[in-house]
Amino acid sequence: SQTIHQWPATLVQPVGSPLSLECTVEGTSNPNLYWYRQAAGRGLQLLFYSVGIGQISSEVPQNLSASRPQDRQFILSSKKLLLSDSGFYLCAWRRTSNEKLFFGSGTQLSVL
Amino acid sequence: GIQVEQSPPDLILQEGANSTLRCNFSDSVNNLQWFHQNPWGQLINLFYIPSGTKQNGRLSATTVATERYSLLYISSSQTTDSGVYFCAVTAGGTSYGKLTFGQGTILTVHP
Repeated sequence: SQTIHQWPATLVQPVGSPLSLECTVEGTSNPNLYWYRQAAGRGLQLLFYSVGIGQISSEVPQNLSASRPQDRQFILSSKKLLLSDSGFYLCAWRRTSNEKLFFGSGTQLSVL
Repeated sequence: GIQVEQSPPDLILQEGANSTLRCNFSDSVNNLQWFHQNPWGQLINLFYIPSGTKQNGRLSATTVATERYSLLYISSSQTTDSGVYFCAVTAGGTSYGKLTFGQGTILTVHP
């Protein structure tokens, strides 16, 4: 069966520090991968999606970037965090664009 | 882009009660999914239901794509049903199947 791992679960970072959140999927190949952000417990905003290695599309211009160095690995990064980057970050995957979407357990990021 | 509206925004129930959550969308869709987010933040996919009716235990969902709405039914609610329920849709013609989420319904079930 397929599983998705996301870490860390919580992270507290000072303003201006770098960020790296990692997500990996097991049990499938060439998944579609996604990064979402959820603010204040309501509504999910799509940040990035990837349909293959090295293929990244950004939904919203912002202080973040994403990379997919391996087939089942998706990384969310920032060079310098802003206060507004605080939120709950969720990685997700699915086989194709018309199948069920499955989420990781999320990372609660607090930028102070 | 497509708009997704969920109602009610908040719902409080006693254990054992039934409830109906609604999701309206502004354009034709080829993908609709319901999710439950538990109090610890984990999002669970409940249904993939672009049309028709599906049932899974005490939960069932119906999507009437031609009338642009979907309903999620919860019967004999339990405290573990508490959390936020999200509807998410993909507008027809979207090349990569982007899911647009509604703002959710916060369900609280009291014992």
